[in-house]
Amino acid sequence: DAMVIQNPRYQVTQFGKPVTLSCSQTLNHNVMYWYQQKSSQAPKLLFHYYDKDFNNEADTPDNFQSRRPNTSFCFLDIRSPGLGDAAMYLCATSPSRYEQFFGPGTRLTVL
Amino acid sequence: GDSVTQMEGPVTLSEEAFLTINCTYTATGYPSLFWYVQYPGEGLQLLLKATKADDKGSNKGFEATYRKETTSFHLEKGSVQVSDSAVYFCALRKSTGGGNKLTFGTGTQLKVEL
Repeated sequence: DAMVIQNPRYQVTQFGKPVTLSCSQTLNHNVMYWYQQKSSQAPKLLFHYYDKDFNNEADTPDNFQSRRPNTSFCFLDIRSPGLGDAAMYLCATSPSRYEQFFGPGTRLTVL
Repeated sequence: GDSVTQMEGPVTLSEEAFLTINCTYTATGYPSLFWYVQYPGEGLQLLLKATKADDKGSNKGFEATYRKETTSFHLEKGSVQVSDSAVYFCALRKSTGGGNKLTFGTGTQLKVEL
């Protein structure tokens, strides 16, 4: 039944060590989003893919990158995680400009 | 830019009490408005939505009315349950690129006690 799947649910990395978070979907939606949610704060959009077209938010740090090899999968790469990147990372999907469906999130800890 | 302002929490209520969580927004154009709920350790779930002025969204006993004149979308429930304990996010949606962008408020934590 899972529609938006995020792996792993909990990820621990070391300061400066690259890390990749994974998102997959069974909904066949053409848009996939990545949000960052820090503790007790609102989710903040980092970027989204419309099919293969990448749309970056103006204030997303260069340290964050994304790949979408096919419709079902989207990855968030953090090239050199800092302590300030510890957060919950939420993936969402939508059919074009309609409702977004969220995954359970991956909680990233940076040591 | 667009923004959403929610009342700060936590809000603590007794079971069967009436709930109001205030939400106001600032946006150009005609955004759609949403309430999402987040249970501990989980992602966001859509609770209800309204796409134009005077629309009322409702689900699971929760209601909210899109008031353009007051730029508000307050969440209400007549009788809360312990299972309603969660964080509630108000959000507005605007089209961007080929998708859409949600701008969230900071969230309001609700605690319901027996």
